[in-house]
Amino acid sequence: GQQVMQIPQYQHVQEGEDFTTYCNSSTTLSNIQWYKQRPGGHPVFLIQLVKSGEVKKQKRLTFQFGEAKKNSSLHITATQTTDVGTYFCAGPRGGSEKLVFGKGTKLTVNP
Amino acid sequence: GAVVSQHPSWVICKSGTSVKIECRSLDFQATTMFWYRQFPKQSLMLMATSNEGSKATYEQGVEKDKFLINHASLTLSTLTVTSAHPEDSSFYICSASWPGPLALFFGPGTRLTVL
Repeated sequence: GQQVMQIPQYQHVQEGEDFTTYCNSSTTLSNIQWYKQRPGGHPVFLIQLVKSGEVKKQKRLTFQFGEAKKNSSLHITATQTTDVGTYFCAGPRGGSEKLVFGKGTKLTVNP
Repeated sequence: GAVVSQHPSWVICKSGTSVKIECRSLDFQATTMFWYRQFPKQSLMLMATSNEGSKATYEQGVEKDKFLINHASLTLSTLTVTSAHPEDSSFYICSASWPGPLALFFGPGTRLTVL
C-alpha cells in the first residue's frame, strides 16, 4: 500500500542551528501537509502544498513540494527552543480524504 | 482556525469496562471525522472514518465491534471502546476535515489507560 517515509527519525540541534526533515511518498500526491506535535500535545496543522515545485514560507519555516509531487521537505532556519516537537508529513491516500502520515521527525533543541 | 474539542482528555478504567470518547467540531460543521490512534513515540494510525448519518468505515485490522463509532450530528462523533483491555491503552485523537482544501484539525486527544 501507499507509504510515506520520513527522515530522520530524530534530530538534535543546538539552538540557532538549522534543521531539515524530508518526506518521501511511494505514490504521487495531490497535496502534502505538514503537522507539528508538541510533547504531550496533539498534531497541529502547519501548511498544505498543492503545486509541483511549490515553496512556501512561514517565518523561519520553509516548505517545499518536489517537482514530481512525491517528496517534500521542511526546513527551519535558526532553530529556537519553541520549535521542539515532532513534525509529521502526510499525504492523501489515493483520491480520498484519508491521510497517510509519515512516522515523524522528533526535533530537540539544546538552549 | 477550526477548533475541535475532545472529551475526556484522559481516562483510567478497569479491564472489561467500556469507555466513550466524544469529539466535537466547535465552530464548523464536519460531515467527516477521523479517529486515530497513537502509541508512544509512534505515528498516527487511522482507525476509522466517521460519516454523519451513515456507518463508519474502518481500516483493515480494526475491529468495528470493539471500537464503536457514532456520528450523530454534524458536530459530534463518538468512539466507544467496548470491553477495554490493557492493550487498548493508547492516545486516541479525532480530527475533522475543514471544508475546502483538505486539511485536518485535530482534537486534543484522549489518553486511555486500561488497568
